[in-house]
Amino acid sequence: EPEVTQTPSHQVTQMGQEVILRCVPISNHLYFYWYRQILGQKVEFLVSFYNNEISEKSEIFDDQFSVERPDGSNFTLKIRSTKLEDSAMYFCASSEARGTYEQYFGPGTRLTVT
Amino acid sequence: AQKITQTQPGMFVQEKEAVTLDCTYDTSDQSYGLFWYKQPSSGEMIFLIYQGSYDEQNATEGRYSLNFQKARKSANLVISASQLGDSAMYFCAMRSVGGGADGLTFGKGTHLIIQP
Repeated sequence: EPEVTQTPSHQVTQMGQEVILRCVPISNHLYFYWYRQILGQKVEFLVSFYNNEISEKSEIFDDQFSVERPDGSNFTLKIRSTKLEDSAMYFCASSEARGTYEQYFGPGTRLTVT
Repeated sequence: AQKITQTQPGMFVQEKEAVTLDCTYDTSDQSYGLFWYKQPSSGEMIFLIYQGSYDEQNATEGRYSLNFQKARKSANLVISASQLGDSAMYFCAMRSVGGGADGLTFGKGTHLIIQP
């Protein structure tokens, strides 16, 4: 069964460093998403991406965040200058279409900023 | 803006019993979808079931069913014949359909523990 994959599973970085989180969505899906989950809290939407551009973003997704689909398979989230409060689990998700279609989540990348 | 409320932070249920996880929502959208996800201790998010706001029948998926009461804005998840492997966090979520916000809005979750 096709699945969303994410690398790395765990990333430790120092405050102020740049990190890139990588995702490979399900191959025939067209919509891609990033969410984050701070430990013990609810999952929060960051950004959605379609047709090589951002279709929606939340207030969390400020200028330090960016997303890219550098090739036909990868989807990346870049955090330019990490802060302690960026420590969280980051989930990538993909969907065949909008609306009624479920979003399939990857296993997540746990980001720890020290 | 959309909002999901899950009022049960934790639940203990005996194995083989049915369990109902509560979810109420608030939205100004006319057309929307409601989702339930399971998050085991390993951390991944597993899609369980979907209900569209215009669906007349309650959604069912194996042992999972969604008790959708539109007038009350509730979308409770019912798990029949609970199993030890059902122990996990359960999140209710929603999003707009046919325009509007595409990102899922999640509730805070319910931690379900199935006891033998």
